[in-house]
Amino acid sequence: EDQVTQSPEALRLQEGESSSLNCSYTVSGLRGLFWYRQDPGKGPEFLFTLYSAGEEKEKERLKATLTKKESFLHITAPKPEDSATYLCAVPGRDGNKLVFGAGTILRVKS
Amino acid sequence: DVKVTQSSRYLVKRTGEKVFLECVQDMDHENMFWYRQDPGLGLRLIYFSYDVKMKEKGDIPEGYSVSREKKERFSLILESASTNQTSMYLCASSSSPHMGYTFGSGTRLTVV
Repeated sequence: EDQVTQSPEALRLQEGESSSLNCSYTVSGLRGLFWYRQDPGKGPEFLFTLYSAGEEKEKERLKATLTKKESFLHITAPKPEDSATYLCAVPGRDGNKLVFGAGTILRVKS
Repeated sequence: DVKVTQSSRYLVKRTGEKVFLECVQDMDHENMFWYRQDPGLGLRLIYFSYDVKMKEKGDIPEGYSVSREKKERFSLILESASTNQTSMYLCASSSSPHMGYTFGSGTRLTVV
């Protein structure tokens, strides 16, 4: 069964305290891994796509990395406006749809 | 900018009512999806569609149906709303799952 597991479920950081979110998956033959950000009461917004092990993408304080079994979303010197739920997803084995993780709720306090 | 538009941000309906949630995309995408999102349960796929007039059941189709008469529009129908269908409903579209999804802003449905 295709599975995407995100950890931790929730993360509280102080402003400026760097950390990482993890996304592990069991789908073989990875055809892309996607990170989304979701603010409360809104739909997920696309952040990054990673296609091959060793690939990295950056956007402001966020950097996503990919290995053969997992991806990390590194947050450097976070600010309160980085508070959101971060979702990752991969195409399922049937190739027809994405399989989503349950998300990590990030809270950054000033 | 590409867009997925959901017709309502908030809806309040009574138990037993027939409810229509509308989703329109302007990207000429073949694939469209309906999810519901509940705290602690994540995103759960209700129905999806690969093409006009085609539909496939997702993980939790019970109590729902869908309609796709035009490529750009995908409607979710609650035949007889119940309180356990109170949720956030998200529509998404894609050209291919390998290209990711574009989501709408969501509809918060409350059934009383």
